[in-house]
Amino acid sequence: EPEVTQTPSHQVTQMGQEVILRCVPISNHLYFYWYRQILGQKVEFLVSFYNNEISEKSEIFDDQFSVERPDGSNFTLKIRSTKLEDSAMYFCASSRDIYEQYFGPGTRLTVT
Amino acid sequence: GEDVEQSLFLSVREGDSSVINCTYTDSSSTYLYWYKQEPGAGLQLLTYIFSNMDMKQDQRLTVLLNKKDKHLSLRIADTQTGDSAIYFCAERTFYGGQNFVFGPGTRLSVLP
Repeated sequence: EPEVTQTPSHQVTQMGQEVILRCVPISNHLYFYWYRQILGQKVEFLVSFYNNEISEKSEIFDDQFSVERPDGSNFTLKIRSTKLEDSAMYFCASSRDIYEQYFGPGTRLTVT
Repeated sequence: GEDVEQSLFLSVREGDSSVINCTYTDSSSTYLYWYKQEPGAGLQLLTYIFSNMDMKQDQRLTVLLNKKDKHLSLRIADTQTGDSAIYFCAERTFYGGQNFVFGPGTRLSVLP
């Protein structure tokens, strides 16, 4: 069964550095998403992407963040100048339509 | 704003039924979802229900929706040790675009 994959599974970075989190959505899906879950807190929506552009973003998704679909298969989340509070599990999701979202296993980002 | 709440912990004995409860605030919710998260894994879509339905059954899973009380439940029949996980309730509202709002998750422990 096709699934969403994410790399790396764990990323450690120093405060102020840039990180890129990578996702490979399910191949025939058209909608792509990023969510994050700070330890002990709820899963929070960051951004959705459709037709090569951002379709929706939350208040969390400020100028520090950007997303890109650099080729036909990858979907990336870039975090510039990371802060301690960016430490979280980041989940990518994809969907064929607007009803079901399929999540990847997540990337644990640790900012030191 | 939209809010989804769940009790945080539930313990049951193997073979018993588990009932995980969820409440939501947004009356415009159109779809309500249950996701399962096993340790170290992503969010696995279990089932979802459209707001014009009262019940949905899928093998051992039964979803009940009380729109008047804004209450959603997930019943797992004949609970097994492999059902031990965190279960997340999520809603997608009519005005919420493509993003989901998640509850905090209920940690289900199945005792032998």
